[in-house]
Amino acid sequence: GQNIDQPTEMTATEGAIVQINCTYQTSGFNGLFWYQQHAGEAPTFLSYNVLDGLEEKGRFSSFLSRSKGYSYLLLKELQMKDSASYLCAVGSGTYKYIFGTGTRLKVLA
Amino acid sequence: DAMVIQNPRYQVTQFGKPVTLSCSQTLNHNVMYWYQQKSSQAPKLLFHYYDKDFNNEADTPDNFQSRRPNTSFCFLDIRSPGLGDAAMYLCATSREGHTQYFGPGTRLTVL
Repeated sequence: GQNIDQPTEMTATEGAIVQINCTYQTSGFNGLFWYQQHAGEAPTFLSYNVLDGLEEKGRFSSFLSRSKGYSYLLLKELQMKDSASYLCAVGSGTYKYIFGTGTRLKVLA
Repeated sequence: DAMVIQNPRYQVTQFGKPVTLSCSQTLNHNVMYWYQQKSSQAPKLLFHYYDKDFNNEADTPDNFQSRRPNTSFCFLDIRSPGLGDAAMYLCATSREGHTQYFGPGTRLTVL
């Protein structure tokens, strides 16, 4: 079957660093995406990994290990506005994307 | 700004009364998707269009249909909404199979 696992909830303090993990088992792999979704809003694209390694984009970094079926999203210098759900999604075939249920991140002052 | 637009943002319908949700895009992307997302759940792909080619997911109920009259517009028709169809409906676009860009969503309430 196809499966994506992420922790349901995480809590961190403003200014801290948090790492959100994602493991996946899919029948195909065309890349791994991270999206941010605020409550009641649409997902917005954060990052994309297709090769192993770390991709850095400002305060956000994403890592991929294809052999381990593992990715993480690293958020640095947390701000209150980073409180949101973070969705891990895998491109799993032609125009097919499998989403995880998301990790709800709460940033505390 | 290039974008994905969904109308309406909120839709209330009655049990069994057909409803149509619309999506338009100015990104000129060739692939358009419809997802259903229920509270605290992952977005679930209903179908997608690659250009004019329609691709239905195997577990999408027959109650859900879609139309794409041109590159810019795509519609989701729910023929006989049930209480279980209440959800956020997300439209997304991509160029080929690359990054998807989502519209703001339509929240559907079924009374």
